[in-house]
Amino acid sequence: TQLLEQSPQFLSIQEGENLTVYCNSSSVFSSLQWYRQEPGEGPVLLVTVVTGGEVKKLKRLTFQFGDARKDSSLHITAAQPGDTGLYLCAGRSSGTYKYIFGTGTRLKVLA
Amino acid sequence: NAGVMQNPRHLVRRRGQEARLRCSPMKGHSHVYWYRQLPEEGLKFMVYLQKENIIDESGMPKERFSAEFPKEGPSILRIQQVVRGDSAAYFCASSPPGDPYEQYFGPGTRLTVT
Repeated sequence: TQLLEQSPQFLSIQEGENLTVYCNSSSVFSSLQWYRQEPGEGPVLLVTVVTGGEVKKLKRLTFQFGDARKDSSLHITAAQPGDTGLYLCAGRSSGTYKYIFGTGTRLKVLA
Repeated sequence: NAGVMQNPRHLVRRRGQEARLRCSPMKGHSHVYWYRQLPEEGLKFMVYLQKENIIDESGMPKERFSAEFPKEGPSILRIQQVVRGDSAAYFCASSPPGDPYEQYFGPGTRLTVT
């Protein structure tokens, strides 16, 4: 069974701090996605990474896909209260359509 | 361009009743995924459908659950004889024909079984 473990599970930080959340697996993925989900809403896609070692930036968010395509990280610079939410990673294996979602990191940024 | 729509947003059923959840994909999208999310957990894949075809139903429970995506109309996730353990948020996502991996999620249906 494929598993995606995210860490930390919970994170509470002050506005302006930097943070990194991790997504780890023993399985190789052909692509990996990061989502943010707010209470009562569906997840919103932030980024898709497909190449080992790939780095993508989205304003203050930096996403990295591990060289072996088994892990990924999300780094947020100068966090803002609007970044508060549940961050989910999701990996897809070659030859399949379905994404396996991680356990999630619940982030709270305090003003 | 309207996003993915799901209805109802909230559904309450008594044990033993049937629940029908609807998902209208984004305009032009021909792929639909269904996921289930239990409180404080991530999303669990249930089924992947294209118009009139079930492509992957490996995440669907063997009994009581079924899904369809007809040529016309929304995709339907049907749960027969609901039990308390079926209480969860059910999300659908749609993808365009050229990129089945680009998922756009709806707001979800929260099912409560009493």
